[in-house]
Amino acid sequence: AQRVTQPEKLLSVFKGAPVELKCNYSYSGSPELFWYVQYSRQRLQLLLRHISRESIKGFTADLNKGETSFHLKKPFAQEEDSAMYYCALEYGNKLVFGAGTILRVKS
Amino acid sequence: DTAVSQTPKYLVTQMGNDKSIKCEQNLGHDTMYWYKQDSKKFLKIMFSYNNKELIINETVPNRFSPKSPDKAHLNLHINSLELGDSAVYFCASSRTNEKLFFGSGTQLSVL
Repeated sequence: AQRVTQPEKLLSVFKGAPVELKCNYSYSGSPELFWYVQYSRQRLQLLLRHISRESIKGFTADLNKGETSFHLKKPFAQEEDSAMYYCALEYGNKLVFGAGTILRVKS
Repeated sequence: DTAVSQTPKYLVTQMGNDKSIKCEQNLGHDTMYWYKQDSKKFLKIMFSYNNKELIINETVPNRFSPKSPDKAHLNLHINSLELGDSAVYFCASSRTNEKLFFGSGTQLSVL
């Protein structure tokens, strides 16, 4: 069955420290993966998708098919990065979300 | 000029009542969705409509009935509300197989 696992419910880092939000997926086909972010009191929005191979707000994510992972990384965390982050897997017309990880960046 | 708007933002109601949540998008998208975010923050798809046609209907109680009067609207009607229905419900839209745009959510509390 298709599944997305985000093992950390909460990740707390200091400003300027590197960030890695973990995401593992289970899917037998060719995956299409996304990271969504929800800032406090704002709507859920797309942060990045793996096929674009882009860097948004300093975040990058590389698809590792061998490890079935799509971890989200940023070299230097900023306080405004504090938010809930969801990893998502798309197959067919469905989008399956992980449980989310709260990122708290402390000053 | 809100892209995906859903109303109401908050809905507090008694068990057994019937309620509706409305969703509208002005992006010209042809696909709309309803997601449920439970207390553990897990997002699950409930329904998806493409050009007013139901294409995804996950295992959801019959008390939940989506209605799409046109491509820009997808409403969610819930009959005989139960305590377990308390959650945040997100509407979303997209062009077929493209990224989703989400509404800001409706927090439903059933007392």
